[in-house]
Amino acid sequence: NAGVTQTPKFQVLKTGQSMTLQCAQDMNHNSMYWYRQDPGMGLRLIYYSASEGTTDKGEVPNGYNVSRLNKREFSLRLESAAPSQTSVYFCASSERSGTGGEGNQPQHFGDGTRLSIL
Amino acid sequence: GNSVTQMEGPVTLSEEAFLTINCTYTATGYPSLFWYVQYPGEGLQLLLKATKADDKGSNKGFEATYRKETTSFHLEKGSVQVSDSAVYFCALKDTGGFKTIFGAGTRLFVKA
Repeated sequence: NAGVTQTPKFQVLKTGQSMTLQCAQDMNHNSMYWYRQDPGMGLRLIYYSASEGTTDKGEVPNGYNVSRLNKREFSLRLESAAPSQTSVYFCASSERSGTGGEGNQPQHFGDGTRLSIL
Repeated sequence: GNSVTQMEGPVTLSEEAFLTINCTYTATGYPSLFWYVQYPGEGLQLLLKATKADDKGSNKGFEATYRKETTSFHLEKGSVQVSDSAVYFCALKDTGGFKTIFGAGTRLFVKA
């Protein structure tokens, strides 16, 4: 009963280093999402993937790339980390409603990756 | 564009007090509305939802009614417990859309 699994849970990087945050879901959901959560800012969408093979930019995509590896996995990559990217990162997934959209389906979240960039 | 506004926190209550967290939204059409809860060190989890006007979502003693005339979805609980201490997020999702719009979150502290 894993749901959405994120790895790693914690990471410290130096400015300029790169890393990939991993996310996998076992609920057969079509759509997956990456958010960042900062104090006083709520959740901000970085990228999302409406279905396998597609990705789209969210509200704050600069400095990030994503890969929808298959239906289960959606990774987030920081090519050259900056201190402004210090945050808690959440992956989420959602199933498609019967009408072809997802209007009334909630999102399921992982427990987050706490990333510090020095 | 679509947006969600919820009351700023933190909200501090004594155990067994009545809770209201206000949430209003701006959206075209008929969005679905959600309340999510986030406990320390965890991700968000769905608390309740409502998908059309006048629907009432409820779970674990929490309730919220979808009020289209006032574009509101206020969260209420009659008697809070220490274990309800968490951050609560109001959110909306357009019918047919893939993105969820979240409010900024309201932190609740409940004292024994």
